[in-house]
Amino acid sequence: EAEVAQSPRYKITEKSQAVAFWCDPISGHATLYWYRQILGQGPELLVQFQDESVVDDSQLPKDRFSAERLKGVDSTLKIQPAELGDSAMYLCASSTGPRDTEAFFGQGTRLTVV
Amino acid sequence: TQLLEQSPQFLSIQEGENLTVYCNSSSVFSSLQWYRQEPGEGPVLLVTVVTGGEVKKLKRLTFQFGDARKDSSLHITAAQPGDTGLYLCAGAENTGTASKLTFGTGTRLQVTL
Repeated sequence: EAEVAQSPRYKITEKSQAVAFWCDPISGHATLYWYRQILGQGPELLVQFQDESVVDDSQLPKDRFSAERLKGVDSTLKIQPAELGDSAMYLCASSTGPRDTEAFFGQGTRLTVV
Repeated sequence: TQLLEQSPQFLSIQEGENLTVYCNSSSVFSSLQWYRQEPGEGPVLLVTVVTGGEVKKLKRLTFQFGDARKDSSLHITAAQPGDTGLYLCAGAENTGTASKLTFGTGTRLQVTL
Protein backbone atom coordinates (compact mmCIF):
# COMPACT_ATOMS: atom_id res chain seq x y z
CA GLU A 1 0.00 0.00 0.00
CA ALA A 2 1.33 3.44 -0.93
CA GLU A 3 2.51 5.52 2.00
CA VAL A 4 3.88 8.95 2.76
CA ALA A 5 7.49 8.53 3.85
CA GLN A 6 9.12 10.86 6.35
CA SER A 7 12.59 10.93 7.83
CA PRO A 8 13.98 11.02 10.36
CA ARG A 9 11.39 9.59 12.79
CA TYR A 10 13.07 11.29 15.72
CA LYS A 11 15.46 14.22 15.95
CA ILE A 12 17.11 15.82 18.95
CA THR A 13 18.92 19.07 18.32
CA GLU A 14 20.39 21.87 20.36
CA LYS A 15 18.82 25.30 20.19
CA SER A 16 20.35 27.60 17.57
CA GLN A 17 21.28 24.61 15.39
CA ALA A 18 19.80 23.90 11.98
CA VAL A 19 17.51 20.93 11.38
CA ALA A 20 15.85 19.51 8.28
CA PHE A 21 13.01 17.08 7.67
CA TRP A 22 12.29 15.16 4.49
CA CYS A 23 9.00 13.95 3.03
CA ASP A 24 8.21 11.76 0.03
CA PRO A 25 4.47 11.85 -0.75
CA ILE A 26 2.38 9.12 -2.32
CA SER A 27 3.29 8.79 -5.98
CA GLY A 28 1.11 10.99 -8.17
CA HIS A 29 -0.13 13.19 -5.34
CA ALA A 30 0.17 16.79 -6.46
CA THR A 31 -0.66 18.44 -3.14
CA LEU A 32 1.75 18.24 -0.21
CA TYR A 33 1.24 19.65 3.28
CA TRP A 34 3.54 20.24 6.22
CA TYR A 35 1.81 20.42 9.62
CA ARG A 36 3.15 21.02 13.11
CA GLN A 37 1.44 19.29 16.03
CA ILE A 38 1.96 20.09 19.69
CA LEU A 39 1.39 17.03 21.89
CA GLY A 40 -2.33 16.40 22.42
CA GLN A 41 -3.48 19.17 20.06
CA GLY A 42 -4.64 19.26 16.47
CA PRO A 43 -2.14 19.74 13.63
CA GLU A 44 -1.54 23.30 12.42
CA LEU A 45 -0.74 23.92 8.76
CA LEU A 46 2.70 25.37 8.10
CA VAL A 47 2.84 25.22 4.31
CA GLN A 48 0.89 23.73 1.41
CA PHE A 49 2.35 22.96 -2.02
CA GLN A 50 0.57 22.36 -5.29
CA ASP A 51 3.20 20.61 -7.40
CA GLU A 52 6.31 22.76 -6.87
CA SER A 53 4.43 25.95 -6.00
CA VAL A 54 3.54 27.22 -2.55
CA VAL A 55 -0.21 27.88 -2.30
CA ASP A 56 -0.33 28.70 1.43
CA ASP A 57 2.51 29.55 3.78
CA SER A 58 0.67 32.16 5.83
CA GLN A 59 1.37 30.32 9.11
CA LEU A 60 5.02 29.53 8.37
CA PRO A 61 7.45 31.51 10.59
CA LYS A 62 9.53 32.67 7.68
CA ASP A 63 12.30 34.18 9.76
CA ARG A 64 13.46 30.68 10.70
CA PHE A 65 11.45 28.15 8.68
CA SER A 66 11.77 27.36 4.99
CA ALA A 67 10.23 24.70 2.78
CA GLU A 68 10.84 23.61 -0.76
CA ARG A 69 9.52 21.08 -3.25
CA LEU A 70 11.83 21.75 -6.15
CA LYS A 71 10.68 19.05 -8.59
CA GLY A 72 7.15 18.80 -7.33
CA VAL A 73 7.74 15.43 -5.73
CA ASP A 74 9.57 15.19 -2.41
CA SER A 75 9.91 18.09 -0.01
CA THR A 76 12.22 19.42 2.67
CA LEU A 77 11.29 21.55 5.69
CA LYS A 78 14.14 23.38 7.40
CA ILE A 79 14.42 25.24 10.69
CA GLN A 80 17.37 27.54 11.29
CA PRO A 81 18.02 28.37 14.05
CA ALA A 82 15.92 25.96 16.12
CA GLU A 83 14.30 27.28 19.30
CA LEU A 84 13.02 25.41 22.34
CA GLY A 85 9.43 26.19 21.33
CA ASP A 86 9.89 24.33 18.05
CA SER A 87 9.73 20.99 19.86
CA ALA A 88 6.77 19.21 18.31
CA MET A 89 5.70 16.54 15.84
CA TYR A 90 6.16 17.61 12.23
CA LEU A 91 3.73 15.83 9.93
CA CYS A 92 3.76 15.61 6.17
CA ALA A 93 0.64 14.72 4.22
CA SER A 94 -0.36 14.47 0.58
CA SER A 95 -3.52 14.39 -1.49
CA THR A 96 -4.25 13.81 -5.17
CA GLY A 97 -4.96 17.39 -6.12
CA PRO A 98 -5.99 20.89 -5.08
CA ARG A 99 -9.67 20.06 -4.63
CA ASP A 100 -9.14 16.76 -2.89
CA THR A 101 -8.78 17.22 0.86
CA GLU A 102 -8.55 13.56 1.81
CA ALA A 103 -5.04 13.75 3.14
CA PHE A 104 -2.77 10.81 3.80
CA PHE A 105 -0.22 11.37 6.53
CA GLY A 106 3.25 10.09 7.16
CA GLN A 107 4.38 8.86 10.57
CA GLY A 108 5.87 12.25 11.38
CA THR A 109 9.17 13.49 12.75
CA ARG A 110 9.30 14.05 16.50
CA LEU A 111 11.61 17.02 17.11
CA THR A 112 13.05 17.80 20.52
CA VAL A 113 15.08 20.98 20.91
CA VAL A 114 17.31 21.05 23.99
CA THR B 1 -8.10 31.53 10.53
CA GLN B 2 -11.03 29.19 11.00
CA LEU B 3 -11.41 27.66 14.43
CA LEU B 4 -12.79 24.18 14.96
CA GLU B 5 -13.62 23.43 18.57
CA GLN B 6 -13.97 19.84 19.66
CA SER B 7 -15.66 18.63 22.81
CA PRO B 8 -15.02 17.01 25.08
CA GLN B 9 -11.28 17.52 25.16
CA PHE B 10 -10.74 14.29 27.10
CA LEU B 11 -12.96 11.27 27.56
CA SER B 12 -12.28 8.16 29.63
CA ILE B 13 -14.89 5.42 29.46
CA GLN B 14 -15.24 1.72 30.04
CA GLU B 15 -15.56 -0.89 27.35
CA GLY B 16 -19.12 -1.23 26.09
CA GLU B 17 -20.17 2.36 26.75
CA ASN B 18 -21.37 4.74 24.05
CA LEU B 19 -19.93 8.19 23.43
CA THR B 20 -20.30 11.22 21.20
CA VAL B 21 -17.63 13.70 20.15
CA TYR B 22 -18.60 17.10 18.79
CA CYS B 23 -16.87 19.39 16.31
CA ASN B 24 -18.16 22.97 16.04
CA SER B 25 -17.28 26.04 14.02
CA SER B 26 -18.79 29.35 13.00
CA SER B 27 -17.58 28.79 9.43
CA VAL B 28 -19.15 26.80 6.63
CA PHE B 29 -17.07 23.98 5.15
CA SER B 30 -17.23 22.34 1.75
CA SER B 31 -16.54 19.02 3.45
CA LEU B 32 -15.49 17.69 6.81
CA GLN B 33 -13.26 14.78 7.70
CA TRP B 34 -12.61 12.74 10.81
CA TYR B 35 -9.22 11.25 11.61
CA ARG B 36 -7.92 9.00 14.37
CA GLN B 37 -4.35 9.29 15.57
CA GLU B 38 -2.44 6.88 17.78
CA PRO B 39 0.58 7.98 19.85
CA GLY B 40 3.67 8.53 17.76
CA GLU B 41 1.84 8.06 14.47
CA GLY B 42 0.23 10.31 11.88
CA PRO B 43 -3.55 10.79 11.68
CA VAL B 44 -5.49 8.20 9.69
CA LEU B 45 -8.57 9.24 7.72
CA LEU B 46 -11.80 7.63 8.93
CA VAL B 47 -14.48 9.35 6.83
CA THR B 48 -15.36 12.37 4.71
CA VAL B 49 -18.82 13.97 4.83
CA VAL B 50 -19.83 16.43 2.14
CA THR B 51 -23.55 17.10 2.17
CA GLY B 52 -25.36 19.00 4.93
CA GLY B 53 -27.30 16.54 7.08
CA GLU B 54 -25.30 13.59 5.76
CA VAL B 55 -24.92 10.55 8.01
CA LYS B 56 -22.26 7.91 7.42
CA LYS B 57 -21.75 4.70 9.33
CA LEU B 58 -18.49 2.81 9.64
CA LYS B 59 -19.14 -0.33 11.71
CA ARG B 60 -19.70 1.02 15.25
CA LEU B 61 -18.90 4.62 14.28
CA THR B 62 -21.60 7.04 13.08
CA PHE B 63 -20.65 10.39 11.60
CA GLN B 64 -23.05 13.27 11.01
CA PHE B 65 -22.54 16.56 9.17
CA GLY B 66 -24.70 19.43 10.36
CA ASP B 67 -27.39 20.80 8.06
CA ALA B 68 -25.54 24.13 7.77
CA ARG B 69 -22.17 22.36 7.21
CA LYS B 70 -20.67 24.13 10.24
CA ASP B 71 -20.56 21.25 12.71
CA SER B 72 -20.24 17.50 12.94
CA SER B 73 -20.47 14.68 15.43
CA LEU B 74 -18.92 11.27 15.84
CA HIS B 75 -20.82 8.64 17.82
CA ILE B 76 -19.20 5.39 18.89
CA THR B 77 -21.39 2.51 20.00
CA ALA B 78 -20.09 -0.11 22.43
CA ALA B 79 -16.59 1.32 22.64
CA GLN B 80 -13.64 -1.06 22.65
CA PRO B 81 -10.06 -0.58 23.91
CA GLY B 82 -8.94 -0.49 20.27
CA ASP B 83 -10.92 2.75 19.84
CA THR B 84 -8.46 4.53 22.13
CA GLY B 85 -6.74 7.45 20.44
CA LEU B 86 -6.89 11.12 19.48
CA TYR B 87 -9.91 11.93 17.31
CA LEU B 88 -9.54 14.93 15.03
CA CYS B 89 -12.09 16.65 12.84
CA ALA B 90 -10.87 18.69 9.90
CA GLY B 91 -12.84 21.18 7.81
CA ALA B 92 -12.10 21.83 4.16
CA GLU B 93 -12.46 25.27 2.60
CA ASN B 94 -12.04 25.96 -1.10
CA THR B 95 -9.78 29.00 -1.50
CA GLY B 96 -9.60 29.64 -5.21
CA THR B 97 -6.55 27.70 -6.33
CA ALA B 98 -6.65 24.98 -3.69
CA SER B 99 -8.53 23.59 -0.74
CA LYS B 100 -7.35 24.31 2.77
CA LEU B 101 -7.75 21.73 5.51
CA THR B 102 -8.02 23.04 9.08
CA PHE B 103 -7.92 20.67 12.02
CA GLY B 104 -9.90 20.79 15.21
CA THR B 105 -8.50 20.91 18.72
CA GLY B 106 -8.79 17.14 19.18
CA THR B 107 -10.55 14.75 21.56
CA ARG B 108 -8.47 12.22 23.42
CA LEU B 109 -10.43 9.02 24.06
CA GLN B 110 -9.36 6.29 26.44
CA VAL B 111 -11.37 3.07 26.63
CA THR B 112 -10.57 0.77 29.52
CA LEU B 113 -11.54 -2.83 30.21
